[in-house]
Amino acid sequence: DSGVTQTPKHLITATGQRVTLRCSPRSGDLSVYWYQQSLDQGLQFLIQYYNGEERAKGNILERFSAQQFPDLHSELNLSSLELGDSALYFCASSRDRGNEQYFGPGTRLTVT
Amino acid sequence: GENVEQHPSTLSVQEGDSAVIKCTYSDSASNYFPWYKQELGKGPQLIIDIRSNVGEKKDQRIAVTLNKTAKHFSLHITETQPEDSAVYFCAASTNFGNEKLTFGTGTRLTIIP
Repeated sequence: DSGVTQTPKHLITATGQRVTLRCSPRSGDLSVYWYQQSLDQGLQFLIQYYNGEERAKGNILERFSAQQFPDLHSELNLSSLELGDSALYFCASSRDRGNEQYFGPGTRLTVT
Repeated sequence: GENVEQHPSTLSVQEGDSAVIKCTYSDSASNYFPWYKQELGKGPQLIIDIRSNVGEKKDQRIAVTLNKTAKHFSLHITETQPEDSAVYFCAASTNFGNEKLTFGTGTRLTIIP
């Protein structure tokens, strides 16, 4: 158990809908990263937050957004969902500079 | 941007034998190289990492080597056991891991009892 929690574990929704994925980092970790894992694209970085501020963006679609709250938990919002958004979404956290990233168990999103 | 290539995509070894997985990276600014193990239905689990100021690191049956000149790093697992069966990912990052990880495409390792 990495200490990173993610909810929900599974999510099934229809095209065009909006969903919110939640992540709680390990106690004391200030950075949260979101990654998408799909069969064709592998593990891809989406976005990073550090102590409430956006720090880096990867190939995140404009339909996707995220935020990190004062208690350091983070949410990833996915809107106008398409079939191709079906994937595993992982959150990872790390303490500060020069520290390892620990992954949560992921949320499996299925768009029908 | 960074590009990480990983080989082989699948690997089967007899229990007790060694397994080696290789990765190459493109960005000479990368200085942090972790390896993750992913079991079915679970998130990636960090198993070992190496920073660019070190050539080799060992943790019991697992070792990682880094060749900065060739931009190449490898994972070595000795005395393999059935519980080593999983998908292994290499990754690279700049700023010693405080930035995004760029992952390889994964190696499915199967240990044959």
